[in-house]
Amino acid sequence: AQSVTQLDSQVPVFEEAPVELRCNYSSSVSVYLFWYVQYPNQGLQLLLKYLSGSTLVKGINGFEAEFNKSQTSFHLRKPSVHISDTAEYFCAVSVFSGNQFYFGTGTSLTVIP
Amino acid sequence: KAGVTQTPRYLIKTRGQQVTLSCSPISGHRSVSWYQQTPGQGLQFLFEYFSETQRNKGNFPGRFSGRQFSNSRSEMNVSTLELGDSALYLCASSLRTSGGAGELFFGEGSRLTVL
Repeated sequence: AQSVTQLDSQVPVFEEAPVELRCNYSSSVSVYLFWYVQYPNQGLQLLLKYLSGSTLVKGINGFEAEFNKSQTSFHLRKPSVHISDTAEYFCAVSVFSGNQFYFGTGTSLTVIP
Repeated sequence: KAGVTQTPRYLIKTRGQQVTLSCSPISGHRSVSWYQQTPGQGLQFLFEYFSETQRNKGNFPGRFSGRQFSNSRSEMNVSTLELGDSALYLCASSLRTSGGAGELFFGEGSRLTVL
């Protein structure tokens, strides 16, 4: 079975400061890894994904994430956040053989002016 | 290209009633998945339909059901509503051509309140 743990439910950070949102996963099979963002009253939007190749993945809005297989982690980072980055962020995994996604419980990022 | 469309966006029901939610996927997407989102549980997988067949099912009671039509549009139904069914129901479509590598495209959700 697969599971995803987002270690921080809420992360407050000052504008223009760096941020890291942590994600760990558990799986007995190989997985693909994703980060999604959800703005208030909206659905989820893909930020970035890791399928294979380079372990450092760059996404939209200046976000990047690094896949660490030995630590089963896929942490999301941004060097300088903006007010507009305030949103809920979800880490997710899917298995090679299927189309079912497993989501973490989300991290609420609040950017403080 | 139009995105995933869910209707209705908001609805209020009372306990014991039933509800049907609709989802129109992105044109060309044949896979439709449904998720329940609540503050305490996050996103929980309900089921996935592909080519009118249910391919995967999450751990929900039989009161939750769905179907997919030949044009890939999907509906989900919840019967005998309970207070705990209050949630945001999200639909996501994908191409499903590369196993789990296919990106999910989400609609804005249907927010159900059960009184």
